[in-house]
Amino acid sequence: EVQLVQSGAEVKKPGESLKISCKGSGYSFTSYWIGWVRQMPGKGLEWMGIIYPGDSDTRYSPSFQGQVTISADKSISTAYLQWSSLKASDTAMYYCARSLDAFDIWGQGTMVTVSS
Amino acid sequence: DIQMTQSPSSLSASVGDRVTITCRASQGISNYLAWYQQKPGKVPKLLIYAASTLQSGVPSRFSGSGSGTDFTLTISSLQPEDVATYYCQKYNSAPPTWTFGQGTKVEIK
Repeated sequence: EVQLVQSGAEVKKPGESLKISCKGSGYSFTSYWIGWVRQMPGKGLEWMGIIYPGDSDTRYSPSFQGQVTISADKSISTAYLQWSSLKASDTAMYYCARSLDAFDIWGQGTMVTVSS
Repeated sequence: DIQMTQSPSSLSASVGDRVTITCRASQGISNYLAWYQQKPGKVPKLLIYAASTLQSGVPSRFSGSGSGTDFTLTISSLQPEDVATYYCQKYNSAPPTWTFGQGTKVEIK
């Protein structure tokens, strides 16, 4: 079965760092892009960026460039989304999704809560 | 940046009605357009890609059309299980971005 399994919910304080993960299985991890999508509470979907694990080619939405870092470790079929200094406004659900073109397989989501 | 604009932002229709949602790109994107369905509290699901190709397993009452800048998602006969928010997405056309529309919330009247 093709699936993406994300790491569990996180509760962090402002200023802390965080790295969440997305592990792919059931397909060739290096042959598809992995994208990251933010959904703030009660709001729509926002594309953050995308990585091609085969060569680590990474693209960012202008809205998120410099705010987050996307990476991947193809040896363990895992993509990552990380923050160096979280803000309260980073509170959201974060999804990873597989892409050949559109996002056909989605992870279950990781809820990140940033609160003092 | 190419912007994706959906209309309406919400609609209410009766079971069995034909429902149409539109998505407009600020520049031409050929047919690099997908539609997603997100039910409350659930993960988004791909319905249509390449503007008009139905993803495997998606009911045939869903259809997509359009090319260039104007696109449409149609539900031919609205069912109670179609209550959801629908998003369009431009993907991987120059520039290589995967931008979503703001969403259209569909409810039953």
